[in-house]
Order: sequence, then C-alpha cells, then structure tokens
Amino acid sequence: EADIYQTPRYLVIGTGKKITLECSQTMGHDKMYWYQQDPGMELHLIHYSYGVNSTEKGDLSSESTVSRIRTEHFPLTLESARPSHTSQYLCASSESLRGAITDTQYFGPGTRLTVL
Amino acid sequence: EDQVTQSPEALRLQEGESSSLNCSYTVSGLRGLFWYRQDPGKGPEFLFTLYSAGEEKEKERLKATLTKKESFLHITAPKPEDSATYLCAVSKDTGRRALTFGSGTRLQVQP
Repeated sequence: EADIYQTPRYLVIGTGKKITLECSQTMGHDKMYWYQQDPGMELHLIHYSYGVNSTEKGDLSSESTVSRIRTEHFPLTLESARPSHTSQYLCASSESLRGAITDTQYFGPGTRLTVL
Repeated sequence: EDQVTQSPEALRLQEGESSSLNCSYTVSGLRGLFWYRQDPGKGPEFLFTLYSAGEEKEKERLKATLTKKESFLHITAPKPEDSATYLCAVSKDTGRRALTFGSGTRLQVQP
C-alpha cells in the first residue's frame, strides 16, 4: 500500500504567481518522480530524482523546478505561473530493490492546477 | 522511438459482459509492463507488473497477460465499480527506469 501525499489537491491562481506543489512519501523510497497529465492524455515525465540532492529533467520540457533535500520530500515550484501550466500534476515514488528487474511506481492523488 | 498504444480509447460494457483491453508496445529492452487503474481526479493505482512473454497475473475480475508485442487486460463479469481508466506503461532497460505511458482505455460498466 502506497503512502504518498500531495498538497494542495486543487489550486486556482492568477497569472504570474509563484507556486509550490508539495509531495511527500513515508515509505523511504529513494526514487521520486513528477508527471504531468492533461485530461484524457498520457502521463508525461517532467522531473525525477534518484535520491537526495539528485534531480533530472524528464521527457517533457517544463518551466518548473524541483528539489530533493530530504528523502521523503520532493516539491515542485513554478516561479511565474501561466495559463499554459494548467494541468494535473502527479507525484510518484519507487524503491530500488537489490536484484529487482524493475521498480514499481506508486502515485499520489495529484494536484489539479488551474492558472487564470 | 518508444511507443505504447492502448485500444480501444473507450469501452462501454453491460454488467457481466466480459471483454479485453489491449496495450501494444514498441520498446527496446523491455524491463516490465505495468497496468494501473485511474479514477477521475485521482492518481493511478497499481494493479500488475508483467516481466516476460507468457506471464499472467490475476486480481479479482482482472487478468493481465503479456506477449512480445502486446499485453491484454481481461475483465471477467465486470461490475459498475470497475468503471475507470486503465493505463498501460512500460519500463525500459535503462538506468532511469521511468515509465512510458499509453493514453489509457476509459471503461464504463453499466448496471
């Protein structure tokens, strides 16, 4: 069972505002991810982290930034929100197990962001 | 280029009417194929991981199978609570191990 939390669940803000989407997991997973999903569309990876102080950009270009100062926390920040940033943002985490073929990613409930 | 294609895009079934969802993939070095269920406004919920052709996994009314080119999610005697979007994703043989998702199949089961 996954214990991964995202806040806020819904956010409506005006253009130009700075926002931070929070993601926390209590499972001690080393890897964390941020995906972006538009209605009826695929999830696209925008950021990932293999551990503390490790962050990389994903496949989909994003103006957001992330940080990983603590294992359990992986916040995403938009310095100046625009209407094009309106989307659902999903956080996930996984654990690298010795000998495992691949990791299973567990997702949080998501943050639906609307920028007016 | 890696591709994951799911069909149909949408499926409407009567309660008890069994059917299958398809996920075809073109990926070099497949490590694993995942099925997730996503309810509206929520994050994907993990269902299954399949690692090699011929593998099958079951959970309640769902059974997932895998070949070298595609995976099927069979739904036997579905109930209205099975209504959701079902997502397929693949993990590649790379160090990053992020997932590549299909666009999903929206399943509606009517009573």
